[in-house]
Amino acid sequence: AQKITQTQPGMFVQEKEAVTLDCTYDTSDPSYGLFWYKQPSSGEMIFLIYQGSYDQQNATEGRYSLNFQKARKSANLVISASQLGDSAMYFCAMREWGNQFYFGTGTSLTVIP
Amino acid sequence: NAGVTQTPKFQVLKTGQSMTLQCAQDMNHNSMYWYRQDPGMGLRLIYYSASEGTTDKGEVPNGYNVSRLNKREFSLRLESAAPSQTSVYFCASMVTAPLSNQPQHFGDGTRLSIL
Repeated sequence: AQKITQTQPGMFVQEKEAVTLDCTYDTSDPSYGLFWYKQPSSGEMIFLIYQGSYDQQNATEGRYSLNFQKARKSANLVISASQLGDSAMYFCAMREWGNQFYFGTGTSLTVIP
Repeated sequence: NAGVTQTPKFQVLKTGQSMTLQCAQDMNHNSMYWYRQDPGMGLRLIYYSASEGTTDKGEVPNGYNVSRLNKREFSLRLESAAPSQTSVYFCASMVTAPLSNQPQHFGDGTRLSIL
């Protein structure tokens, strides 16, 4: 079974609107961490936001927030007030106890002016 | 801050040739990783090293070898390149902690084409 599933290969959003990128995960570990990365067309991987399995609050970092629903095993990324520079690939990743990360297949986001 | 440095950035090989991709980090991280990224498949782990002197196989290790030369450097070797190994290769490093909020830090990638 896939550890991380991102079901939206491509998404479009109007500039200044909010967008949600979906991520579901599969683990039996009680302790885990969830990460989102951005990969612009230039290719580098940029860390955006982290959510721990025991965190009580949803994580927020500027315009990025994480809608964490533990019972549903989902960790959706919400980008508010989209900007043209947000156009990129977005990857969800999970770290269980240990040092391995598992990545999803990514979602390509295009922001329309 | 250099962070994670990969060399080369681009390489074209012929089938059967060998080469080594180099990776160095200056953040004093214990854990280092090699991934490959193919269209529609996300990042897949090839090998990782939790500490100097240890290496472990990831999801797709066949056709690759690694060396953790010291704490800073982690190299990936293709002994006999095949067209199926055409990909973008990323090196990453991370603080080793039982479970922390520390992310992986990535290099800029090596785009490798095998003809």
